[in-house]
Amino acid sequence: EAGVTQSPTHLIKTRGQQATLRCSPISGHTSVYWYQQALGLGLQFLLWYDEGEERNRGNFPPRFSGRQFPNYSSELNVNALELEDSALYLCASSLEAGLETQYFGPGTRLLVL
Amino acid sequence: GESVGLHLPTLSVQEGDNSIINCAYSNSASDYFIWYKQESGKGPQFIIDIRSNMDKRQGQRVTVLLNKTVKHLSLQIAATQPGDSAVYFCAESPAYSTLTFGKGTMLLVSP
Repeated sequence: EAGVTQSPTHLIKTRGQQATLRCSPISGHTSVYWYQQALGLGLQFLLWYDEGEERNRGNFPPRFSGRQFPNYSSELNVNALELEDSALYLCASSLEAGLETQYFGPGTRLLVL
Repeated sequence: GESVGLHLPTLSVQEGDNSIINCAYSNSASDYFIWYKQESGKGPQFIIDIRSNMDKRQGQRVTVLLNKTVKHLSLQIAATQPGDSAVYFCAESPAYSTLTFGKGTMLLVSP
């Protein structure tokens, strides 16, 4: 069974541009979570989607947004990129909302120049 | 304990030793606790979890201990192997909520 997949693996952008990151959850999982992991730091919660709805949001500005599609895949959009947005962006999925065990993808490494 | 900034606490052990990684959590309402292992360049990998109605849970070569009185969680790895070298994160969650992660501990295993 395939795990959580993310694309692209690496992304290079310049300040002010927009980035779109994609995530496909484990088959049968309906909840998708996004995290930011800056170099040497822990995981900071960004967004949680379940059944197409945003369920919770971390302490990030509105230029971080996303959506979940009917097939439960998800997109994370980051507008007006800043240098400090450079990080590993991790997507995780869980079987359903309220089940806390999350399984992670390999991440997308975003570099903002 | 947990680190601040770029400096992760590091635990260095010899192959075959037992390792104990500690984690202090802050939310007394947390009901669920989980340990992840993250190797360089990879996403976190689930190791073991425990609910607040338990104080110990065992897996294959790993044991998680939960002390709710002092809000402390530990991960014990038996017969540590070089392949166990990674950063280990604990995370906590109240019921039906999102996970809050600690900053991680680096485990280095020498052959």
